Amino acid sequence: GAGVSQSPSNKVTEKGKDVELRCDPISGHTALYWYRQRLGQGLEFLIYFQGNSAPDKSGLPSDRFSAERTGESVSTLTIQRTQQEDSAVYLCASSLVITGGTDEAFFGQGTRLTVV
Amino acid sequence: SQKIEQNSEALNIQEGKTATLTCNYTNYSPAYLQWYRQDPGRGPVFLLLIRENEKEKRKERLKVTFDTTLKQSLFHITASQPADSATYLCALRRAGGFKTIFGAGTRLFVKA
Repeated sequence: GAGVSQSPSNKVTEKGKDVELRCDPISGHTALYWYRQRLGQGLEFLIYFQGNSAPDKSGLPSDRFSAERTGESVSTLTIQRTQQEDSAVYLCASSLVITGGTDEAFFGQGTRLTVV
Repeated sequence: SQKIEQNSEALNIQEGKTATLTCNYTNYSPAYLQWYRQDPGRGPVFLLLIRENEKEKRKERLKVTFDTTLKQSLFHITASQPADSATYLCALRRAGGFKTIFGAGTRLFVKA
């Protein structure tokens, strides 16, 4: 596709329910990132996928959070038993990793999650 | 713990002036430093990357400096325009890794 696509763009869920957020990266991009951005704050790293390597999950805040990626395509971020503090914008980005490159990350528009 | 600090207060400047934004970091040794622009309701957009062995990088009206001794980067927009109004984020990454950490950003308002 032309850019990184995330769905849904908005999600309102009840506390305790599970949610699944989807990211379609730019075709051919081997790297994929998930970030969380709370209101007025910077981006909080969650997880990173690069090709067939084991993902870097060091940013996942708890075991309620998990993410998967099939090959170099779609990724889903799952939050189980959602809590109100999970409310934030979840941003996905992809990049083409090349030696000497800028590793510019292309971001989607984000999914705004509200837990009520 | 590693920390990135950007001015939390918004920067208000007059059109045509140079805007200077600051990014300071502690407990971190980045090999790469990036600047992004973020507009309300949108994802960040990449502007510039500067490497640890580079002192300065320019792109059109943008200039970035990187001082690894001071642990600081300065981001300049010359001849600023109202369309430059946005939040600007700095981001750091170590050599050999891909975990990029972001600052909270500084909001810039350029008045006509």
